[in-house]
Amino acid sequence: ETGVTQTPRHLVMGMTNKKSLKCEQHLGHNAMYWYKQSAKKPLELMFVYSLEERVENNSVPSRFSPECPNSSHLFLHLHTLQPEDSALYLCASSQEWVTNSPLHFGNGTRLTVT
Amino acid sequence: EDKVVQSPLSLVVHEGDTVTLNCSYEVTNFRSLLWYKQEKKAPTFLFMLTSSGIEKKSGRLSSILDKKELFSILNITATQTGDSAVYLCAVGVPRGAGKSTFGDGTTLTVKP
Repeated sequence: ETGVTQTPRHLVMGMTNKKSLKCEQHLGHNAMYWYKQSAKKPLELMFVYSLEERVENNSVPSRFSPECPNSSHLFLHLHTLQPEDSALYLCASSQEWVTNSPLHFGNGTRLTVT
Repeated sequence: EDKVVQSPLSLVVHEGDTVTLNCSYEVTNFRSLLWYKQEKKAPTFLFMLTSSGIEKKSGRLSSILDKKELFSILNITATQTGDSAVYLCAVGVPRGAGKSTFGDGTTLTVKP
């Protein structure tokens, strides 16, 4: 495997469910990110981790909870979501957080909240 | 607030045409401008521009930055159906790549 891998590809969940999104990067990068992509809106940065330490939390509601157990893995834990949280959730990685190196994206998880 | 505006929002051309996509920006501390191509799911990196007037080129794609007028263009010559995608422009500021502000994207459709 190469690049950035996200699972699952699709997820449908009710508002009372708890689920997790998983991201794995095989590029040896030090920084990992969660982005939200909604229809007709620009990509929105949610969280940034650099060397497993959270360095950015962009005013994201607490129903989204990230976890970075090591530099290759990133999770997004979801609970009591709202229908407006339905979107494409993209994970990305980059060589370093501070040097503006290009982002490498996964294929995303298409989340539908019913 | 940092702002990135792409135009046009959508464009339909025929194979062989040349297209120019625009990206203008207003940011407090500019560091770089990046172009990505998003075909179905994952955006893929195309170019990173940091200096004015220096063209970056990759095959039929090229891009240039004007830091005085605060914009960049992405040119695609001899378009092919495989060029159909959403093209995203992002502006990076010194705090790191993850702080890039993305534009809404330009949806390019190339018809046979």
